[in-house]
Amino acid sequence: DGGITQSPKYLFRKEGQNVTLSCEQNLNHDAMYWYRQDPGQGLRLIYYSQIVNDFQKGDIAEGYSVSREKKESFPLTVTSAQKNPTAFYLCASSGRGGRADTQYFGPGTRLTVL
Amino acid sequence: GDSVTQMEGPVTLSEEAFLTINCTYTATGYPSLFWYVQYPGEGLQLLLKATKADDKGSNKGFEATYRKETTSFHLEKGSVQVSDSAVYFCALKEGSARQLTFGSGTQLTVLP
Repeated sequence: DGGITQSPKYLFRKEGQNVTLSCEQNLNHDAMYWYRQDPGQGLRLIYYSQIVNDFQKGDIAEGYSVSREKKESFPLTVTSAQKNPTAFYLCASSGRGGRADTQYFGPGTRLTVL
Repeated sequence: GDSVTQMEGPVTLSEEAFLTINCTYTATGYPSLFWYVQYPGEGLQLLLKATKADDKGSNKGFEATYRKETTSFHLEKGSVQVSDSAVYFCALKEGSARQLTFGSGTQLTVLP
C-alpha cells in the first residue's frame, strides 16, 4: 500500500543534542513538507521541498534543518539551537500541484526533550 | 497574509446530534479549501475538499460548501457517531501554491 511512514513514533532527547526524524513516502510525490503541532494549536510549516536537492524555509525554520537527496525521503534534524523542540512533528507529501492537489500526512513523531 | 479561523472548541454532542463547525478564511487570491480530521495520537487525514465557489465536498456523511460571498467553508454532519470524536482542521491553499494554511483545530467529543 502507498503511504507515508515516519519514525520513530516517540523520541526523547536530552538538551543540547541534535536528533533526526525520518520521513519516507512511496506515493511518487514530488513535494514533501514538515509541520510542527503544539497542543491546542494548528500546524505550522517548518520546511518544504518541491523537488530533489531543493527546499525552502517555512514559517518556523529556525533551529531545524532538512535534506532532500532522494525523492522518497525528507529527513528533519532538530538541532540544539531549537529553543523549545518538544512537539508533535508531522510529515506530508503532495503531487503535481494545482488547485486540487492534496497533502497526505504521515502518522507523526512525538519529540520530548528531557 | 492568508488565515483560517475556526470556531473554538471543545464541542461536545450526544450521538445522533447535528454537527456544525464554522470555518472562515482570509485570502489574497482564490484558494482551495480543505477539512482534515485527526484522531488521537495520529496524523491528519483528508476528510473533504472544494476547489471553487459553490462546490460541495462530501465524505463519510460530512459536507462543506465553498461560499465565496461569505468566505466560509463550514463543516456539517446530520447525525454524529461516537467514532467521529476527533480534532477537525480547516485549511486553505492559495491557487497553485504548495503550502497549506491551517486553522487552530476544533476538538469534537461525541457521547453515547
